[in-house]
Amino acid sequence: RKEVEQDPGPFNVPEGATVAFNCTYSNSASQSFFWYRQDCRKEPKLLMSVYSSGNEDGRFTAQLNRASQYISLLIRDSKLSDSATYLCAVNPSFTLTFGKGTMLLVSP
Amino acid sequence: NAGVTQTPKFQVLKTGQSMTLQCAQDMNHEYMSWYRQDPGMGLRLIHYSVGAGITDQGEVPNGYNVSRSTTEDFPLRLLSAAPSQTSVYFCASSMTGTGGSTDTQYFGPGTRLTVL
Repeated sequence: RKEVEQDPGPFNVPEGATVAFNCTYSNSASQSFFWYRQDCRKEPKLLMSVYSSGNEDGRFTAQLNRASQYISLLIRDSKLSDSATYLCAVNPSFTLTFGKGTMLLVSP
Repeated sequence: NAGVTQTPKFQVLKTGQSMTLQCAQDMNHEYMSWYRQDPGMGLRLIHYSVGAGITDQGEVPNGYNVSRSTTEDFPLRLLSAAPSQTSVYFCASSMTGTGGSTDTQYFGPGTRLTVL
């Protein structure tokens, strides 16, 4: 089992839709969890950290399920500008391990 | 603050040539790292540093050297370029590298390297 796995997509959704991505991780010792956003040919940028109790930032909600070892990202009321690749990252030690990313395409 | 800067933005090398990719940050971050990103492979860690004078290998270190003589700079050296090193290289930094939920990693804009 790979360390961090994501469905590569693409997820094609219309504007206004709600979409959810999952990311599974194999190292049960992982302590920190993140979602990054990467636009085409750009660097990844932190979207949000994922806290044990779950957290929300506007239209974005992140959840952590330690028992099943996955994190999720929910995007409500999708905008055209949400089109990007979403990378999950986990940190079992000093280093971040990234998933390969899930591509989201939001259409008018 | 300029954040994390990388030079050059683009580079074409011939097999066997050597070069150095530059990375600098002005945020006084202790932790710096280099990743490569290839289609279908995601971001893979090459080398990282938890402070000046300290470096360690990541997942794919072969063919690359690093050094960290100052807090600000973390250059990546390709010793003898190979076509398999064609990739996009990202440098990143964070305050402490302890991996806490607030220890955000900031990425540079990347260097697109082609080895012929």
